[in-house]
Amino acid sequence: EVRLVESGGGLVQPGGSLRLSCAASGFTFSNYAMTWVRQAPGKGLEWVSAIDGTGENSYYAESVRGRFIISRNNSTNTLHLQMNSLRVDDTALYYCVKGFGDFWGQGTFVIVSS
Amino acid sequence: HSVVTQPLSTSGTPGQRVSISCSGSASNVGNFSVNWYQQVPGTAPKLLIYDDDQRPSGVPDRFSGSKSGTSASLAISDVQSEDESDYYCAVWDDSLDAWVFGGGTKLTVL
Repeated sequence: EVRLVESGGGLVQPGGSLRLSCAASGFTFSNYAMTWVRQAPGKGLEWVSAIDGTGENSYYAESVRGRFIISRNNSTNTLHLQMNSLRVDDTALYYCVKGFGDFWGQGTFVIVSS
Repeated sequence: HSVVTQPLSTSGTPGQRVSISCSGSASNVGNFSVNWYQQVPGTAPKLLIYDDDQRPSGVPDRFSGSKSGTSASLAISDVQSEDESDYYCAVWDDSLDAWVFGGGTKLTVL
């Protein structure tokens, strides 16, 4: 059974940093690209970042490029999202996603507020 | 606003067929596979259709996808009350080098 469990969300002040993690199980992690998607309260889905199975290639939405860094550890089956210079409009539920959407975790909430 | 466009809302009565469009361009829908997701409010999205028209195992065959040119569609036949959800299309855009979502369509079953 595929499982994706996100952690690391919380309340942070504008300009602060957070590191999200996603523990994956139930599939061969290194065979799949992984993705972060976010959803602001009451809004639609927004793609944030993706990384290929080897970790060599990563992609970012314009809104987070230069502030967020996606990474993965194929030895521990873990995906990360390092979020720096956080802004109020980064407030959202952040989903860890297998591939480009075939399975979604339950999300971890990030609130950026002073 | 998103580079792929969906209607904000649609509705149907039980047993009807409803369709949701996803309009894009050559840099996205016209040249890349479209996925569709169902999101019941308060829950994580679930994959409904991948590669334009493929259904994952477990998805009822009442759900179908199609694409023509730069427009894709999700059809739900024999719509049921439990289908009341938000529906999103998603596709890669090679001019943005980004995965893009439509704005989402809220389906109301009357």
